[in-house]
Amino acid sequence: ILNVEQSPQSLHVQEGDSTNFTCSFPSSNFYALHWYRWETAKSPEALFVMTLNGDEKKKGRISATLNTKEGYSYLYIKGSQPEDSATYLCAWNGSGNTGKLIFGQGTTLQVKP
Amino acid sequence: DGGITQSPKYLFRKEGQNVTLSCEQNLNHDAMYWYRQDPGQGLRLIYYSQIVNDFQKGDIAEGYSVSREKKESFPLTVTSAQKNPTAFYLCASTREGVPNQSQHFGDGTRLSIL
Repeated sequence: ILNVEQSPQSLHVQEGDSTNFTCSFPSSNFYALHWYRWETAKSPEALFVMTLNGDEKKKGRISATLNTKEGYSYLYIKGSQPEDSATYLCAWNGSGNTGKLIFGQGTTLQVKP
Repeated sequence: DGGITQSPKYLFRKEGQNVTLSCEQNLNHDAMYWYRQDPGQGLRLIYYSQIVNDFQKGDIAEGYSVSREKKESFPLTVTSAQKNPTAFYLCASTREGVPNQSQHFGDGTRLSIL
């Protein structure tokens, strides 16, 4: 069974805290690992697409790392702000050009002012 | 502004009724996807299409049907054979044949049973 797992399921932090989430995926047939941010009442928005083992990507206070050999990716948020409150989804592409993604169940982050 | 438009935002289905969810994109993307979200679960792929007049079943295609007569449009029909249709449905698109492209999503349709 090809499964993508995210942990924790939910997280509550104070404004200014740094936090990180984990995405675990099958280590075979790896093509790409995607991260999306999904705010309430909006559509999911792409954060990163990672393709190479050891990749590190950064967008402002958010960064991600990738380990394809052991099948995990970390998403870090430095100095969380209330506007970071959202569900963060990771998705594994093990199918190549079909673009078929298998999504994790998401990590919901709530940042309290 | 380019994007994906899903309609309606909310939809109610009676027993034995087929309903169709609309998905239109003006991004000139070849590939389009339908996902279903249930509480506590990740998005699950229902159907996808990489080119006009062609589509493939995803992981949970039973009880659903699609068509792809135009590049811009990928409607999803939830048939009466789908016994548990209450869920949130998301449509997405991307450039075809490029595995490292992000998918663009619509705002979703929430389907409930009357």
